[in-house]
Amino acid sequence: DQQVKQNSPSLSVQEGRISILNCDYTNSMFDYFLWYKKYPAEGPTFLISISSIKDKNEDGRFTVFLNKSAKHLSLHIVPSQPGDSAVYFCAASDGTGGFKTIFGAGTRLFVKA
Amino acid sequence: GAGVSQSPSNKVTEKGKDVELRCDPISGHTALYWYRQSLGQGLEFLIYFQGNSAPDKSGLPSDRFSAERTGGSVSTLTIQRTQQEDSAVYLCASSPQNRYGYTFGSGTRLTVV
Repeated sequence: DQQVKQNSPSLSVQEGRISILNCDYTNSMFDYFLWYKKYPAEGPTFLISISSIKDKNEDGRFTVFLNKSAKHLSLHIVPSQPGDSAVYFCAASDGTGGFKTIFGAGTRLFVKA
Repeated sequence: GAGVSQSPSNKVTEKGKDVELRCDPISGHTALYWYRQSLGQGLEFLIYFQGNSAPDKSGLPSDRFSAERTGGSVSTLTIQRTQQEDSAVYLCASSPQNRYGYTFGSGTRLTVV
């Protein structure tokens, strides 16, 4: 049972344009959501997060939007840069089990120069 | 050290052999997590440690998998009688107590031949 779903395995975007990565979840008890970025042969690195009490969090070129009624969140990258090419994991936690985090399958983003 | 350190970075083993994977978390991080990523899959939770105890072992795939943590620091994940389906990247992460967001190591790529 996948509690966090990223339905797009890959996404290709032109440099300078907006990248939108989507994520859906099923567990209404999740109260914190995170995005991680992963380059090949490296571990995932934390990118941005959002609490369930908010609907938007912005950090530079990265913005995460949360729609609780739809159980949907998205990551916007504007403008996209070739260095953003990586796998992006959506993740969620309900604060239990030592803040155990459930990850999606990831979306591979290609930013073309 | 400054980050989460995992060793070895790569391990090739014959089917049926035992392997030990090591994780050295960030100093002072009380929580430690093991995940694995099989080819084309997302991050699968294996086990969580708070200090030296493991309150959540729910993700361990079978009784061939075990993990321990000593001194509230280094953790070892042991896989006995390895099978080909155990081939994956095993990722360790750590975090301060009661905090969302982890710092991951670079992982150990395990190949069972």
